[in-house]
Amino acid sequence: AQKVTQAQTEISVVEKEDVTLDCVYETRDTTYYLFWYKQPPSGELVFLIRRNSFDEQNEISGRYSWNFQKSTSSFNFTITASQVVDSAVYFCALKETGTYKYIFGTGTRLKVLA
Amino acid sequence: DTAVSQTPKYLVTQMGNDKSIKCEQNLGHDTMYWYKQDSKKFLKIMFSYNNKELIINETVPNRFSPKSPDKAHLNLHINSLELGDSAVYFCASSQLREADTQYFGPGTRLTVL
Repeated sequence: AQKVTQAQTEISVVEKEDVTLDCVYETRDTTYYLFWYKQPPSGELVFLIRRNSFDEQNEISGRYSWNFQKSTSSFNFTITASQVVDSAVYFCALKETGTYKYIFGTGTRLKVLA
Repeated sequence: DTAVSQTPKYLVTQMGNDKSIKCEQNLGHDTMYWYKQDSKKFLKIMFSYNNKELIINETVPNRFSPKSPDKAHLNLHINSLELGDSAVYFCASSQLREADTQYFGPGTRLTVL
């Protein structure tokens, strides 16, 4: 069965700290896709990254980086030198090939304090 | 320029009323979705249409009826609204190739009084 677990319900950090948001997934498929979305206080859902199961290279985009490890079924997201504007709920999602559904985790609320 | 748009953004109504939420995407995608996000931020898929054909129909009360007049539009009609229907409803679209990303509309906050 497909499942996405974001065990951290809420994280608070002080500005400029680094923070890692965990995402653990379950799938029987060998080909699948993983996503991260950001939901700021304004409410929209913003796409951040997509990763396919064949590509285990880590990715960096500015202060954001993602660590994909198939061996531990994890796709963690790190924000370096966090800023107040990073405060949001972050969702991890999984899509298996051959299905139409995207399975979302329950989200992690990140609060960055000035 | 808006990729996925929804109207209205806010909807306040009385219990028992019928209401509709409209969604349009200009991304040329062939698949559209409706999600419900409750007060705890949990995202639950409700429906999905691919080229106007219903492909996902989760366990949703039959008071909810999606309609897709063409592949760029997916509307959600809700009959006999109940207090528990209060939530944010998101429309999303994607291209049904395996790797494609789902893009979301801005959401419609429905409040049933």
